[in-house]
Amino acid sequence: GAVVSQHPSRVICKSGTSVKIECRSLDFQATTMFWYRQFPKKSLMLMATSNEGSKATYEQGVEKDKFLINHASLTLSTLTVTSAHPEDSSFYICSARQGAQDTEAFFGQGTRLTVV
Amino acid sequence: RKEVEQDPGPFNVPEGATVAFNCTYSNSASQSFFWYRQDCRKEPKLLMSVYSSGNEDGRFTAQLNRASQYISLLIRDSKLSDSATYLCVVNSGGGADGLTFGKGTHLIIQP
Repeated sequence: GAVVSQHPSRVICKSGTSVKIECRSLDFQATTMFWYRQFPKKSLMLMATSNEGSKATYEQGVEKDKFLINHASLTLSTLTVTSAHPEDSSFYICSARQGAQDTEAFFGQGTRLTVV
Repeated sequence: RKEVEQDPGPFNVPEGATVAFNCTYSNSASQSFFWYRQDCRKEPKLLMSVYSSGNEDGRFTAQLNRASQYISLLIRDSKLSDSATYLCVVNSGGGADGLTFGKGTHLIIQP
């Protein structure tokens, strides 16, 4: 299947700092990527849709000024958690599809963010 | 009614046994169905797609029942390495990504 690479896999940061997470599609071009958050023992929750060359589309309740998304190229999307707080500690995962919307999604390895 | 429902388990199953679990979905217009496997603290990985005619891949069999709006996953001759959370994912075409995730079924294979 298609390969989606996410970096870093784990990060610990101080409260008030910003953290950038990268998501790359390694062997295909992804005009659209998706960012999810997963709290312990909870389901994946879609945060936003990252669109190449345009603004991201955020789900209800997700602060766009706090979670900055940049989709600079067809193979790279970044999520920046700005002014992180302990409640932002979570598992962040990106995904992309190689084909149409009814095809399977491939996920990055995820980033475990801990804000202390 | 939740969009995609799964029994969270845990299912404790002895090694070598057969285990099956279902997932129900509420949107009759759903188009595509998948089972993903998620290991603890890891990303979900596609296990198999679920076709109308059913799908078998080695020890794993997935089936779709559109009339009753459920999909099933059967694991035969279970291995210790099958221990994981199995996510039912339905593509309903709605929402930005079109995907609705179940909360997952936690499976523990015991030696």
